[in-house]
Amino acid sequence: GENVEQHPSTLSVQEGDSAVIKCTYSDSASNYFPWYKQELGKGPQLIIDIRSNVGEKKDQRIAVTLNKTAKHFSLHITETQPEDSAVYFCAAGTRNQFYFGTGTSLTVIP
Amino acid sequence: SQTIHQWPATLVQPVGSPLSLECTVEGTSNPNLYWYRQAAGRGLQLLFYSVGIGQISSEVPQNLSASRPQDRQFILSSKKLLLSDSGFYLCAWSVGGTDTQYFGPGTRLTVL
Repeated sequence: GENVEQHPSTLSVQEGDSAVIKCTYSDSASNYFPWYKQELGKGPQLIIDIRSNVGEKKDQRIAVTLNKTAKHFSLHITETQPEDSAVYFCAAGTRNQFYFGTGTSLTVIP
Repeated sequence: SQTIHQWPATLVQPVGSPLSLECTVEGTSNPNLYWYRQAAGRGLQLLFYSVGIGQISSEVPQNLSASRPQDRQFILSSKKLLLSDSGFYLCAWSVGGTDTQYFGPGTRLTVL
């Protein structure tokens, strides 16, 4: 089955700086790569996703890049704000079967 | 707009007791439904998914079971809880035939 690794497990940045979270996957059949943000005690919220036919996608301060050859994808958050502090999860898979990374706890220091 | 509900929000149960967690989705028809478990400090593990009433696929063998008695209702059950069943249980839905999954607020289960 799919194996998704996510790094780093914790990340602290100063407000206004950029944050980058990286994930690798093992199954070349995976074609969908969502990113979720989870605040304490709540369910994950989808923040951005990318499909295997696209190399990069951007939504305001958030961007995701995908390298299918190397089997890795990354989340980029620019101009970080305190409200960006949360746990971020990557996932990889195909319809109905996602495999999640172990999460990155992001802290934005005011 | 679509909304997803889970209850209860928190639950404390003794070892060996039964379990029933419920998830309902509003504002959509024939959704795909999913149950995930999240252990403390870990990622999400897919337990079951359903593409229609009475259709359940199990991803991980365990003492849990799932049922879908109605189109927008998904139930997670156990006859006898184990300590290892403690965790944060999340229900999710997607539009049938698409990838994007949307999560509910979750149920925090503690087995003592």
